[in-house]
Amino acid sequence: RKEVEQDPGPFNVPEGATVAFNCTYSNSASQSFFWYRQDCRKEPKLLMSVYSSGNEDGRFTAQLNRASQYISLLIRDSKLSDSATYLCVVTYNQGGKLIFGQGTELSVKP
Amino acid sequence: DGGITQSPKYLFRKEGQNVTLSCEQNLNHDAMYWYRQDPGQGLRLIYYSQIVNDFQKGDIAEGYSVSREKKESFPLTVTSAQKNPTAFYLCASMGGQGGETQYFGPGTRLLVL
Repeated sequence: RKEVEQDPGPFNVPEGATVAFNCTYSNSASQSFFWYRQDCRKEPKLLMSVYSSGNEDGRFTAQLNRASQYISLLIRDSKLSDSATYLCVVTYNQGGKLIFGQGTELSVKP
Repeated sequence: DGGITQSPKYLFRKEGQNVTLSCEQNLNHDAMYWYRQDPGQGLRLIYYSQIVNDFQKGDIAEGYSVSREKKESFPLTVTSAQKNPTAFYLCASMGGQGGETQYFGPGTRLLVL
């Protein structure tokens, strides 16, 4: 079993749709959680950190359920520019290595 | 501008050849990382360094070597022992005000001729 598993993609949605990505992690000692965005043939960039209380940044909402070892990302009112691969990331210890999921590809169509 | 630079953008390797990928950062970060990404897959950690003159193997270190003689630089050598080196190589750094956020360079695409 992979340490971090994401919904298999791709997700193809129309503009304006709401889309949700799910991610599960296997190590209960995981401490920090992130969503990164990666455009085609580019480097990953931090989209948002994920906090236990849940957090929102504009159209993006991230949630964490430690009991179920599950993270989610919700994108409301999808834009064409949201098309990318979304990577779920967890860390186990401060300053240590990040564990990446395989990514979920999103394609937003006009 | 502060950031991470990687060079070259594209690199071609002949069979049996060692090649070195450059990674430089001027963010004053202590920790630096090398990842490999294959098509349709997530990032896999090759090596990481949390401080100058010290580094640790990641999950797929075989066939690779690194050095960390300066805080700003963390070069990766892909040796001839790495039998399947074709991939997208990403360098990242972390520290300072960014906390646990890793910032990535633009990557180097390595192709075997």
